[in-house]
Amino acid sequence: QVQLQESGPGRVKPSEALSLTCTVSGGSISSSFWSWIRQPAGERLEWIGRIYPTGSTNFNPSLQSRVAMSLDTSKNQISLTLTSLTAADTAVYYCARDLERRPPKKRSFWYFDLWGRGTLVSVSS
Amino acid sequence: DIRMTQSPSSLSASVGDRVTITCRASQDISTYLNWYQQKPGKAPKLLIYDVSNLETGVPSRFSGSGSGTEFTLTIGSLQPEDFATYYCQQYDNLLELTFGGGTKVEIK
Repeated sequence: QVQLQESGPGRVKPSEALSLTCTVSGGSISSSFWSWIRQPAGERLEWIGRIYPTGSTNFNPSLQSRVAMSLDTSKNQISLTLTSLTAADTAVYYCARDLERRPPKKRSFWYFDLWGRGTLVSVSS
Repeated sequence: DIRMTQSPSSLSASVGDRVTITCRASQDISTYLNWYQQKPGKAPKLLIYDVSNLETGVPSRFSGSGSGTEFTLTIGSLQPEDFATYYCQQYDNLLELTFGGGTKVEIK
């Protein structure tokens, strides 16, 4: 059974960078796509970006200039880095498996089928 | 970006009620729409993918329909464990996935 667990600093100062790690157990990160998603308190979910097994990435255009993702296959971890933080980046950050299913004669289905519990990041001085 | 708008933003219902939640997309997204359930302090859980396909283990009282710009999630007979917030999510644009604002289902 694949499980995801986010970890990070909890609190970060404005203008600094955030680094989060998602540790995957029960399966290899090399066999799936992975996304980071965040949710400010009381607000909607926001997709941050996706990383493929090759290491290539897609990012939300609204965050693209400040975000990076990487894979560490030796530790089975996915990392997120977000720079130039402001209070608006305060949120619960989730990692999720970004699953693609290919039905016959139809475009692929894509959905988040597994999620970590999330980690709260507060941006304050 | 594709803007997803849910209505209502909240509703009160009783156990046994039939509940319908609407999700509207700002442009045609065909059937590239998923639904998630989120309980307080928990991660979202996939309920339905591609408009109407139930994820494994999801009760059959949940159903989805729609295409283009208008979609619905229906709970046929609301159960105590269904009180939660529900989100739609489009994947027509895979480079900018977006979610609806959520519908909170509360106990009347």
